[in-house]
Amino acid sequence: DTGVSQDPRHKITKRGQNVTFRCDPISEHNRLYWYRQTLGQGPEFLTYFQNEAQLEKSRLLSDRFSAERPKGSFSTLEIQRTEQGDSAMYLCASSSRQGREQFFGPGTRLTVL
Amino acid sequence: GENVEQHPSTLSVQEGDSAVIKCTYSDSASNYFPWYKQELGKGPQLIIDIRSNVGEKKDQRIAVTLNKTAKHFSLHITETQPEDSAVYFCAASSTLGRLYFGRGTQLTVWP
Repeated sequence: DTGVSQDPRHKITKRGQNVTFRCDPISEHNRLYWYRQTLGQGPEFLTYFQNEAQLEKSRLLSDRFSAERPKGSFSTLEIQRTEQGDSAMYLCASSSRQGREQFFGPGTRLTVL
Repeated sequence: GENVEQHPSTLSVQEGDSAVIKCTYSDSASNYFPWYKQELGKGPQLIIDIRSNVGEKKDQRIAVTLNKTAKHFSLHITETQPEDSAVYFCAASSTLGRLYFGRGTQLTVWP
């Protein structure tokens, strides 16, 4: 257990519904990352926060996706009007102020029917 | 952006043998190269990493080598055990931000 927690672990939703995932990073880690992983692939970067500032967003993060980290602690990732192509594992990672190491949580598996 | 290629996609070895996984990267600015192990239903677990100012790093049965000139790096696992069976990912990064991952290697260690 790395100390990064994600909730929920599994989410099944119907196409067109909105979903929100939460990530709690390791305490005092100021950087937080979201990745998406589909079956048979490596994780793909979505976005990255340093404290509460969103510093980088991937082109994968369409207008239907929004991420926040309002107080520089936990983060939420919302997907609006879900599509079947959004089905994936959504991973969160955190790293410390000094370190390059990114520690991943267990992920949230999203299934869009 | 960076492109990380990983080979082989599957690897089967007998318990006690060594396993080698190789990755290449395209961006000469990349300077940090972690390796992750992912078991079924779990998030990736960092097992070892190497920075570009070092050519080799070892931690018990696991070692990583880096050739900056050729832009490739490798993971070596010696004396493999059945519990080493998992998917292994290499990654590369040039900043404190995103990691670029390879597509993974499914390692199976037969008892």
